[in-house]
Amino acid sequence: ILNVEQSPQSLHVQEGDSTNFTCSFPSSNFYALHWYRWETAKSPEALFVMTLNGDEKKKGRISATLNTKEGYSYLYIKGSQPEDSATYLCAFVQGGKLIFGQGTELSVKP
Amino acid sequence: GAGVSQTPSNKVTEKGKYVELRCDPISGHTALYWYRQSLGQGPEFLIYFQGTGAADDSGLPNDRFFAVRPEGSVSTLKIQRTERGDSAVYLCASSATGSSNEKLFFGSGTQLSVL
Repeated sequence: ILNVEQSPQSLHVQEGDSTNFTCSFPSSNFYALHWYRWETAKSPEALFVMTLNGDEKKKGRISATLNTKEGYSYLYIKGSQPEDSATYLCAFVQGGKLIFGQGTELSVKP
Repeated sequence: GAGVSQTPSNKVTEKGKYVELRCDPISGHTALYWYRQSLGQGPEFLIYFQGTGAADDSGLPNDRFFAVRPEGSVSTLKIQRTERGDSAVYLCASSATGSSNEKLFFGSGTQLSVL
């Protein structure tokens, strides 16, 4: 199983700040890259599934980009709100299953 | 059902005991996944079912762990002779067909504590 790395491990920002974090994955045999948000006491929820190099996805204030040739994806949050506080997980598809990174824990202070 | 349901939500057991964790996926979803998450780590793959059969069980840590999905819907993860290191959140997820570009729908997990 190949590694998926996320950075930073945790992030503390003020309400209104924009922020971004990184997911690094193997650049060979790419199928898809997933992003999930996991709020405390809830289930992980899918944000994006990205399949093509150069893909950009957007959902409200959250967007993501994908570079399969160099093996990274960025997740951006514009104007962070306290309700954005959660752990953000990326996952690389390998052999029909998702291999998750360790997550980036985001805390947004009002 | 409306979403993926996992029971129990919490399970406390003693070292050496047997436990069963249940997952009820979204109706009609053929793919079902079990993951385990320990503190500070991302979800770790355990096993993946396509219908009734285990398509990939390479993540099961040892032969104390076993999972079934006899009718292609509900799945049970079984852990024999539990050890303290088995303490974790056990997550179940399902997807419609198991295609790599489909998002997974997760349950809220079972928090297993082995004393």
